[in-house]
Amino acid sequence: GESVGLHLPTLSVQEGDNSIINCAYSNSASDYFIWYKQESGKGPQFIIDIRSNMDKRQGQRVTVLLNKTVKHLSLQIAATQPGDSAVYFCAENGGGSQGNLIFGKGTKLSVKP
Amino acid sequence: DGGITQSPKYLFRKEGQNVTLSCEQNLNHDAMYWYRQDPGQGLRLIYYSQIVNDFQKGDIAEGYSVSREKKESFPLTVTSAQKNPTAFYLCASSIGGRAEAFFGQGTRLTVV
Repeated sequence: GESVGLHLPTLSVQEGDNSIINCAYSNSASDYFIWYKQESGKGPQFIIDIRSNMDKRQGQRVTVLLNKTVKHLSLQIAATQPGDSAVYFCAENGGGSQGNLIFGKGTKLSVKP
Repeated sequence: DGGITQSPKYLFRKEGQNVTLSCEQNLNHDAMYWYRQDPGQGLRLIYYSQIVNDFQKGDIAEGYSVSREKKESFPLTVTSAQKNPTAFYLCASSIGGRAEAFFGQGTRLTVV
């Protein structure tokens, strides 16, 4: 079936560097995408979202890029901090008709001091 | 404060017993979801409900049951038919399929 996948399962970066987490999606009907951050033992928290009529959206220190041509989503974190260490999931809505988000496996981000 | 609450945070169950996980939301969301997460894995959908008194099976519904008698509540029962129930269970709610899902803090179930 349709699924969301991530290119890199783990990512280690130096504090202060920029981080880029990638995601490939396969459901061309998806028109809404979200990035979540999950800290150990907690539920996922919303970071940023983007709709398919946009190709870029910026938040505080985070930017999401959407390339519909190659079905690719990325999350950029500027000036990565130790508190950014977590697992990051991308999710797509599969067009929304099925009523649930489809999650990727996640990327674990480790920030080295 | 508005939010979604799961209880208990930790739950231990003996083999062969059914157990019910609680999920309550006061966000006035129509849709609610249950996901299972195994160590180092992503989220797998167990059941979801888009409206009161209606719910659909997700990808891994076998061994689980739910009810949606009230808009605010979506309890999940892990039955003895679930062969490997030890996992982290996450409940979420949203306005609908094109909107952000808000998550609870999870219940860690361990079979002893």
